[in-house]
Amino acid sequence: KAGVTQTPRYLIKTRGQQVTLSCSPISGHRSVSWYQQTPGQGLQFLFEYFSETQRNKGNFPGRFSGRQFSNSRSEMNVSTLELGDSALYLCASSRMASGGAGRETQYFGPGTRLLVL
Amino acid sequence: GESVGLHLPTLSVQEGDNSIINCAYSNSASDYFIWYKQESGKGPQFIIDIRSNMDKRQGQRVTVLLNKTVKHLSLQIAATQPGDSAVYFCAETYTGGFKTIFGAGTRLFVKA
Repeated sequence: KAGVTQTPRYLIKTRGQQVTLSCSPISGHRSVSWYQQTPGQGLQFLFEYFSETQRNKGNFPGRFSGRQFSNSRSEMNVSTLELGDSALYLCASSRMASGGAGRETQYFGPGTRLLVL
Repeated sequence: GESVGLHLPTLSVQEGDNSIINCAYSNSASDYFIWYKQESGKGPQFIIDIRSNMDKRQGQRVTVLLNKTVKHLSLQIAATQPGDSAVYFCAETYTGGFKTIFGAGTRLFVKA
């Protein structure tokens, strides 16, 4: 079974631009979560989606948004990029077969490394 | 704010020794805890988990201990190998939370 895939793997943008990152979960997984990882802040939760609905959101500004499609694939968007948005963005999927209780094991992709200049 | 913290940011052990990585969590409502391993250039990889109705769970060479009284979690790695060198994260979540809170991470160095 293929793992979680994320595209692109590396990205360089300049301040003020916007970026869209993509995540394809493991086949059969319906929950997708996004995290930002930086050396200073560690792994920070961005948001979680299940059946195209955002069920929870972390403490990030409105410039960070996401969505999930009917095939469970997910995208996240960051608008008006700032230097501090440089990070590794990780996507994780879990089965949540019956809607779940938020306690299922997550499987992570390799991440998209974003550099903002 | 919400946090799951670690007592030791860096741990260096000799190959063959046992390793113990500790973690303190802050949310009393958390009922599911996970340890992840992250190698350079990769996403976190699931190692072992434990639910709050347990205080110990064993896997292959790894054991997780949970002390809910003091909100403490630990990961024990037996006979540590060079391939165990990585950053280890503890994480917590709770029923209906739909989000996972990660600790800061501990870097484990295994000396050959």
